Amino acid sequence: RKEVEQDPGPFNVPEGATVAFNCTYSNSASQSFFWYRQDCRKEPKLLMSVYSSGNEDGRFTAQLNRASQYISLLIRDSKLSDSATYLCVVLRISGNTPLVFGKGTRLSVIA
Amino acid sequence: DVKVTQSSRYLVKRTGEKVFLECVQDMDHENMFWYRQDPGLGLRLIYFSYDVKMKEKGDIPEGYSVSREKKERFSLILESASTNQTSMYLCASSLSLNYGYTFGSGTRLTVV
Repeated sequence: RKEVEQDPGPFNVPEGATVAFNCTYSNSASQSFFWYRQDCRKEPKLLMSVYSSGNEDGRFTAQLNRASQYISLLIRDSKLSDSATYLCVVLRISGNTPLVFGKGTRLSVIA
Repeated sequence: DVKVTQSSRYLVKRTGEKVFLECVQDMDHENMFWYRQDPGLGLRLIYFSYDVKMKEKGDIPEGYSVSREKKERFSLILESASTNQTSMYLCASSLSLNYGYTFGSGTRLTVV
């Protein structure tokens, strides 16, 4: 099982739709989780951290399910500007690699 | 806002050349990282540093070395560039290892 696994997509959704991405991780000892956003030909930028209790930032909701070892990102009322690749990121607490990045899920919001 | 600056946006080098990629951050961060990003492979960690003169290998260090003589600067060195090192190189810095990183805008390196 890969350390961090995401569906690459693309997810093509109309404006205003709700879309959800899941990400699974293999190391049950992982402690910290993040979602990053990467626009085409740009650097990744931190979107939000993921807390055990779940957290919300405007139209974005992140949740963690430790028992099943997955995190999710829900985007409500999608905007054209949400079109990007969303990277699931996990802190590996053993070994010598600080953050492990998933390969990303591509989202296209269509007018 | 933290700013991470990579010296070149685009570079074209010849096979066998020694290549230096420079990265500077302006927020006194302890940790700095070099990743490469390739289609279908995502971001892969090459090296990181948690203090001046300290370095740790990441997942794919072969063919690369790094230098951190000053806290704000972290250099990636390709000792003898090869075509399989053609990639997007991203530098990042962070206050701690377990908190989100800030990335530079990347250097797209082409080795011909």
